[in-house]
Amino acid sequence: NAGVTQTPKFRILKIGQSMTLQCAQDMNHNYMYWYRQDPGMGLKLIYYSVGAGITDKGEVPNGYNVSRSTTEDFPLRLELAAPSQTSVYFCASSHGQGTRYTFGSGTRLTVV
Amino acid sequence: GNSVTQMEGPVTLSEEAFLTINCTYTATGYPSLFWYVQYPGEGLQLLLKATKADDKGSNKGFEATYRKETTSFHLEKGSVQVSDSAVYFCALSDNSGGSNYKLTFGKGTLLTVNP
Repeated sequence: NAGVTQTPKFRILKIGQSMTLQCAQDMNHNYMYWYRQDPGMGLKLIYYSVGAGITDKGEVPNGYNVSRSTTEDFPLRLELAAPSQTSVYFCASSHGQGTRYTFGSGTRLTVV
Repeated sequence: GNSVTQMEGPVTLSEEAFLTINCTYTATGYPSLFWYVQYPGEGLQLLLKATKADDKGSNKGFEATYRKETTSFHLEKGSVQVSDSAVYFCALSDNSGGSNYKLTFGKGTLLTVNP
């Protein structure tokens, strides 16, 4: 039972480069989320999805894009990396309303 | 809007000490309340939850009671262990309207337990 799998675990990007953070879950959860975690700031919601083909913005979507072509996968795209996007990124999923989240182990991204 | 306020950390305790981490919330409806724990280098894991007023969530010796009158959900443990060292997050999901699958998190409290 893999749960939520995130890749890569670590990445260093140069300013202006692009990359995709991968997230996959094998629990058939409808809801998926991307958060970023900055020191002392808790978790901020970037984007979320309530099902395949449906995505919506969270609190801090600028500079990011997502897609949800399948129930299992929810990749996060950074088009033009900026130092402000240096953070730890967590993907999570949940079965439905008011239920527990299952988190991936995170991607630590540094933009230099 | 919804918000969660946790006590500022870091918190440093000796093994077997009593732990309290305060959490208060603001919500427009009737939220469910959660405590998540993040061990070093890992993602967050659900520690306990409560879905209505006066409910008590408990797990691994930790407890928290949903207090609607004080809008609080304080985390307690009678005797902490070194293995409890982690970051603890209070969170809520607002059960009014159609968006109660989204969580609002507090900033987290770092707990360090020394032997």
